[in-house]
Amino acid sequence: DVQLVQSGAEMKKPGEALKISCKGSGYTFGTHWIGWVRQMPGKGPEWMGKIYPGDSDTTYSPSFEGHVTMSVDKSVGAAYLQWSSLRAADTALYFCVRLEHSTVYSSSWLQIWGQGTQVTVSS
Amino acid sequence: EVVLTQSPGTLSLSPGESATLSCTASQSVTPTYISWSQQKSGQAPRLLIYGASNRATGVPDRISGSGSGTDFTLTIDNLEPEDYAVYYCQVYSNFRPMFTFGPGTKLDIK
Repeated sequence: DVQLVQSGAEMKKPGEALKISCKGSGYTFGTHWIGWVRQMPGKGPEWMGKIYPGDSDTTYSPSFEGHVTMSVDKSVGAAYLQWSSLRAADTALYFCVRLEHSTVYSSSWLQIWGQGTQVTVSS
Repeated sequence: EVVLTQSPGTLSLSPGESATLSCTASQSVTPTYISWSQQKSGQAPRLLIYGASNRATGVPDRISGSGSGTDFTLTIDNLEPEDYAVYYCQVYSNFRPMFTFGPGTKLDIK
């Protein structure tokens, strides 16, 4: 089975750094884009950006660019999302998701989701 | 950026009934750019429909998607207990941000 398994919940203070992970299994990790999605409490999902494990090509959503960094380690089949200085407003559930792309449809969609990592930032 | 609105915000129906969920885009969208996901409380979203009308693997055929232009619909026939959840439509873009989500429709048991 294709799966994305994320690291566990984190509780941090404002200003602290954090790196969460997303490990793929059941497929060749380097062949599909991995995206990250934020879901704040009681709200809908928001697209943060994507990274291609094959060459680490990254595209950030304008709302998140400069505040988070996406990376991958293809050797272990994992993608990462990191913050250098957390804010209380970063409190949310973060999902990684495997993208599927179709040249026939000239479109992509969010096919396989990780279980989510809860990040809580509070003093 | 395309903005999606969903209606109704909450839909209360009994098991066995049919649900019609609407997703309206702020401008005309290529149908293949529309997908739908289901999210149950405390869980990750699950892809149901991609390309406006194609069911994802494992999705029963009582769930269907349709639409064109600015108006898209998710229909769930013969509601079962497992269907009560929040449903989001999403639109893909060749520009940033790559995906935009609607605010969701909550399907409640009546």
